[in-house]
Amino acid sequence: SQTIHQWPATLVQPVGSPLSLECTVEGTSNPNLYWYRQAAGRGLQLLFYSVGIGQISSEVPQNLSASRPQDRQFILSSKKLLLSDSGFYLCAWSVAGGAYETQYFGPGTRLLVL
Amino acid sequence: AQSVTQLDSQVPVFEEAPVELRCNYSSSVSVYLFWYVQYPNQGLQLLLKYLSGSTLVKGINGFEAEFNKSQTSFHLRKPSVHISDTAEYFCAVSDASGTYKYIFGTGTRLKVLA
Repeated sequence: SQTIHQWPATLVQPVGSPLSLECTVEGTSNPNLYWYRQAAGRGLQLLFYSVGIGQISSEVPQNLSASRPQDRQFILSSKKLLLSDSGFYLCAWSVAGGAYETQYFGPGTRLLVL
Repeated sequence: AQSVTQLDSQVPVFEEAPVELRCNYSSSVSVYLFWYVQYPNQGLQLLLKYLSGSTLVKGINGFEAEFNKSQTSFHLRKPSVHISDTAEYFCAVSDASGTYKYIFGTGTRLKVLA
């Protein structure tokens, strides 16, 4: 069966510090991968998605970037965190295919920028 | 472009009572529809999805939803709720034209009272 991991689970970082969140998927090959942010009291906002190694699509201009160095690894990064980067970050995967494919979510990383 | 509206931010209901969580969407193309549940500090879990066919969709944990194209709605229902159903519920839509993006509603917090 497939599993998706995210780490760390919780992170407290000062403003201006760098960020690296990691997501890995097991039990599948060539998945589509997604990064979402969930701000308090709001829905989920798609940040990035990837259909293959090195292929990243950005949905919103922001302080963050994403990379996919391996087939089942997806990394969310920032060079300098802002207060507004605080939130709950969720990674998801789906089988490569159409929009009908279900997205499966990881446990999330809660980021607090102080 | 698609949009999703979840009309109720919070729904309190007594245990063993029925519940309906409302979701309306807007789209100029055919869509796929999803309901997810999020327990505190966890990722999202798929409850059910509508792709095509029967407009009444049954999911896990006794939930069901009905797709109504004329009213552009996909309301979630359960005939008898349990304390353990207390969670946040998200409706999502993706377009059937081939993109991979989900658009999420802002969520409805279901609180089941003893």
